[in-house]
Amino acid sequence: KAGVTQTPRYLIKTRGQQVTLSCSPISGHRSVSWYQQTPGQGLQFLFEYFSETQRNKGNFPGRFSGRQFSNSRSEMNVSTLELGDSALYLCASSPATGLAADTQYFGPGTRLTVL
Amino acid sequence: SQQGEEDPQALSIQEGENATMNCSYKTSINNLQWYRQNSGRGLVHLILIRSNEREKHSGRLRVTLDTSKKSSSLLITASRAADTASYFCATLLGTGAGSYQLTFGKGTKLSVIP
Repeated sequence: KAGVTQTPRYLIKTRGQQVTLSCSPISGHRSVSWYQQTPGQGLQFLFEYFSETQRNKGNFPGRFSGRQFSNSRSEMNVSTLELGDSALYLCASSPATGLAADTQYFGPGTRLTVL
Repeated sequence: SQQGEEDPQALSIQEGENATMNCSYKTSINNLQWYRQNSGRGLVHLILIRSNEREKHSGRLRVTLDTSKKSSSLLITASRAADTASYFCATLLGTGAGSYQLTFGKGTKLSVIP
């Protein structure tokens, strides 16, 4: 099976702009989670989607939003970008059912730089 | 907030030696997972140990879990230069309605010198 794919791999934006990142999960996986990784804060959970519904949300401001489509692909959006949003954004998919229900498979990430 | 805390933050060993990383966490968990990350890339799942398990092996990896001490350790035996990476422990918490959340520690940076 193909792994989790994320597009684009690199992005450069300026403060105040908005950005949309895309994630295609492993075929058959219905749960998609997003994480932000920065040198200072480490890996932090953003949100999780399952069957097009947000099931869980981390402690991030409302500028961070996401959605999931019927084919399980997911997008996350960050509006009004701030310098501190510069990070590696990681998407992970999970079968959500069966023995491996809670094993998460990560994509390569999108490196966002905000200038 | 970080649920897991790895120790040490950095570790440098010679090829062929064993590497041990420790992880401590704060609350009750469903399971604990270890991941590897090579230089700013995506995370690779290494091994999962459930809260009712005490030890698990996968190839050169051995993971232990002590729920009474809220701690876990990852042992990599006979290390190779290719093992150079950051290693993260992540605790899985059920948040209700079938949803789970992984909370990561800040990681241990392992350098294996050829």
